[in-house]
This record gives sequence, structure tokens and C-alpha cells, in this order.
Amino acid sequence: EVQLVQSGAEVKKPGESLKISCQGSGYSFSTYWIAWVRQMPGKGLEWMGIIYGADSDTRYSPSFQGQVTILVDKSINTAYLQWSSLKTSDTAMYYCARHVTVGHVAADGLGAYWGQGTLVTVSS
Amino acid sequence: QSILTQPPSASGTPGQRVTISCSGSSSNIRTNAVNWYQQLPGTAPKLLIYDTNQRPSGVPDRFSGSKSGTSASLAISGLQSEDEADYYCATWDDSLNGWVFGGGTKLTVL
Repeated sequence: EVQLVQSGAEVKKPGESLKISCQGSGYSFSTYWIAWVRQMPGKGLEWMGIIYGADSDTRYSPSFQGQVTILVDKSINTAYLQWSSLKTSDTAMYYCARHVTVGHVAADGLGAYWGQGTLVTVSS
Repeated sequence: QSILTQPPSASGTPGQRVTISCSGSSSNIRTNAVNWYQQLPGTAPKLLIYDTNQRPSGVPDRFSGSKSGTSASLAISGLQSEDEADYYCATWDDSLNGWVFGGGTKLTVL
């Protein structure tokens, strides 16, 4: 059974750093893209970027380029989303999601499987 | 403002057929496959349709997808109360070199 398990909720202050995780199991982790998706309170889904496990090839949305870093540790089947300096506007639910199709084509099939979400609250 | 445009709301009565539209451009929907997701309140999104018109295992055949030109549609037939949810379209955008989502449509079953 394919599963994506995300790290728990976080409460942080503005300016703090944070790294949240998404561990995959039940499939060959390195051969699928993993995406990160933001959902601000009461709002829609926003694609942040994707990473390919085998070679760490990463693509970012222009809206998030330079604001976050997406990483992967294929030895433990885990993808990460990292901030160096949080803002109150980063308060949101963050989901990871695995692509539908095996292989290195980034345009193929976002979101066959989703993590449960990690709620990040940034408040002074 | 989302690159893909969806109506903010849609509604129907049980048993009815409803469609939700997703309007894009030549750099996204015209040239790439479209996915649709269902998000029930308080839960993670779930893939309903991929590759424009393919259903993952377990998704009822009441859900179907199509596209024409720069627009795509999700159709739900035999509407049920449990279909009340938010629905999102998404596709790859060749100009942005990344995925884009529609703004979402809140479906109400009257």
C-alpha cells in the first residue's frame, strides 16, 4: 500500500527556520516525483514545486522560488520542505503528493497519492 | 488570480448531472493533460481524474473528464450528497514550466 506520512503540526515565530517532512512507503520512492502543495486557511490549492528522488531534480513555482527549499533524502524515502525565515503569511496547511506515473516526466500526473498534511502556524 | 479559471460554486440536486469547467490557455490545457481532485472538508485532496479522462482505481464511473481546446470539464452524474466538496483542476503549464491549479469550485448538493 502506497503511503505518504507527513511530520506533525508546527507552531513557529516569524523569522524562525523550519523543515517539514514527507516519508513515502509501499513503492519505489526514487522513481516518482513528489510535489509540495500549499493551502492557506479557507483558500485553494497552490503548487509550490516538485522533486525527483533519484537525482534531486527540483522545479519551483515562480511564486515560491527563493522562498522555500525542497530537498530529498532517498536513503530514507523522505522529501522535505524547508524555510530559512518564516513569515506570518506562511501559515497554511502543506501537503506532499506523489505523481501518478513512474519516471522523470514532470508534466505527468500530479497527485496520485497525498500525505495527510502538515499545519504550519507562524505567529508572534 | 489563478491561471486556470473555475466557477467558484456549483450546485445540483440528488440524481442530477452537474459539470464543472476549467478554462486555461494554449500553454497549459491545450497541450497537456488535465487532472481533477476532490477535497472533502478537513481532508487531503483526492485524485478523481488524471490524464484528462482516466479514473484511478476506486473512483466511481459517475465521474468523468473531458477537454476541448483550452477548456476542460468534470462531469458528475447521479449526484449524491457525499459529492458535496471542493473540486480543483490542475495541469502542466509549458510557459511556467510547472503545475498550475484552478481556484476551486465548491459543489453543493441541494
